[in-house]
Amino acid sequence: EIVLTQSPGTLSLSPGERVTLSCRASQDVSNNYLAWYHQAPGQAPRLLIYRASYRATGISDRFSGSGSGTDFTLTIARLDPEDFGVFFCQQYGTSITFGQGTRLDIK
Amino acid sequence: EVELLESGGGLVQPGGSLTLSCAAFGFTFNFFGLSWVRQAPGKGLEWVSSISGSGRDTYDADSVKGRFTISRDSSKNTMFLQMNSLRAEDTAVYYCVRRENYNSGSFDYWGQGTLVTVSS
Repeated sequence: EIVLTQSPGTLSLSPGERVTLSCRASQDVSNNYLAWYHQAPGQAPRLLIYRASYRATGISDRFSGSGSGTDFTLTIARLDPEDFGVFFCQQYGTSITFGQGTRLDIK
Repeated sequence: EVELLESGGGLVQPGGSLTLSCAAFGFTFNFFGLSWVRQAPGKGLEWVSSISGSGRDTYDADSVKGRFTISRDSSKNTMFLQMNSLRAEDTAVYYCVRRENYNSGSFDYWGQGTLVTVSS
């Protein structure tokens, strides 16, 4: 099983700031099949990025994904109040596994 | 507009059974794979099961293999999860999700979830 480790676990930032989240895999993610999701409090998760760097339909260009192999990042250019919550990475190249999540709180 | 509506959650005793349903709207049902993902209270996401567009191919997480069965009925545009031999650790919100493609891909649409509580 591919284990995904996200860092940091938690961070507190202010609206307008830039943030980079990390997702590291225990082995290569096949075809860079790596996705990022955002879960607002009390809501279902929402797809942000698929195949490491492709924005999902309707997702703001403030969100960008990069990386390959075992190291992937999600960057949010300017934080909006609706961005706070939990971010999960997921690999779907070899079975399906999720990272443990990064919680983003309003400072 | 794509919509996924889960139903069937509730309270069940350990060792009991429950069947979840997911009604799908707004897309050609047979063109897309579907999955179940669960989230225990205050915890992260765990993939449970997936099924291809035709229903011929199914995949299960080791934690539910032999206890849960995923299926779909194209005449009703509905997916199911039959859960047997339920354990306390199966307590979670269960999300129905659509996959990008027929039998692969990320999870591009999510339902709002249905809560399953396993307790005596």
